Amino acid sequence: AQSVAQPEDQVNVAEGNPLTVKCTYSVSGNPYLFWYVQYPNRGLQFLLKYITGDNLVKGSYGFEAEFNKSQTSFHLKKPSALVSDSALYFCAVGGSQGNLIFGKGTKLSVKP
Amino acid sequence: DTGVSQDPRHKITKRGQNVTFRCDPISEHNRLYWYRQTLGQGPEFLTYFQNEAQLEKSRLLSDRFSAERPKGSFSTLEIQRTEQGDSAMYLCASSSRGGPEETQYFGPGTRLLVL
Repeated sequence: AQSVAQPEDQVNVAEGNPLTVKCTYSVSGNPYLFWYVQYPNRGLQFLLKYITGDNLVKGSYGFEAEFNKSQTSFHLKKPSALVSDSALYFCAVGGSQGNLIFGKGTKLSVKP
Repeated sequence: DTGVSQDPRHKITKRGQNVTFRCDPISEHNRLYWYRQTLGQGPEFLTYFQNEAQLEKSRLLSDRFSAERPKGSFSTLEIQRTEQGDSAMYLCASSSRGGPEETQYFGPGTRLLVL
């Protein structure tokens, strides 16, 4: 069965510092991996995805993610965090029916 | 290009009542998905449509849940005889095509509270 895991419930970062939100996956076959962000009482916004090719994927709002096949990881990164980046971040893998299988989410808190 | 819309945004109902939620996908998107999100969890897949055909029903949480997409455009999700455990955020998403590599675009969700 396909799954993703987000090992951290919360990540705290100071504004201006780099941030990393971790995700590991378990997939049979080629993984299709996604990151979404959710602001309070809102739906999910797509940030980026990995399908194939370059292991470093660039997305919206300055975010990027690094696909690492040997470590089965797809960590989300940003070189310099903003207070406005504070939100809930979800990693997901594309399922066989085209549905998304989500992790439990990581709350990112960026303090000024 | 308007995004995915959902109506209502909030619904409060009493246990035992029926509720219906509507989702309007991005125009010309063939795939439409429903998810449920409870507090502290990621969204959980419920069902999906390819045009008007419902291709997966087994993930619906019980026979009290049903969904339709009669003309291949908007969709409705109905919960009959609601229970307190049905309280959650119900999310709709659409994509232009099917497949695990396709990006899904989500609506703002309908938050249901069952008293």
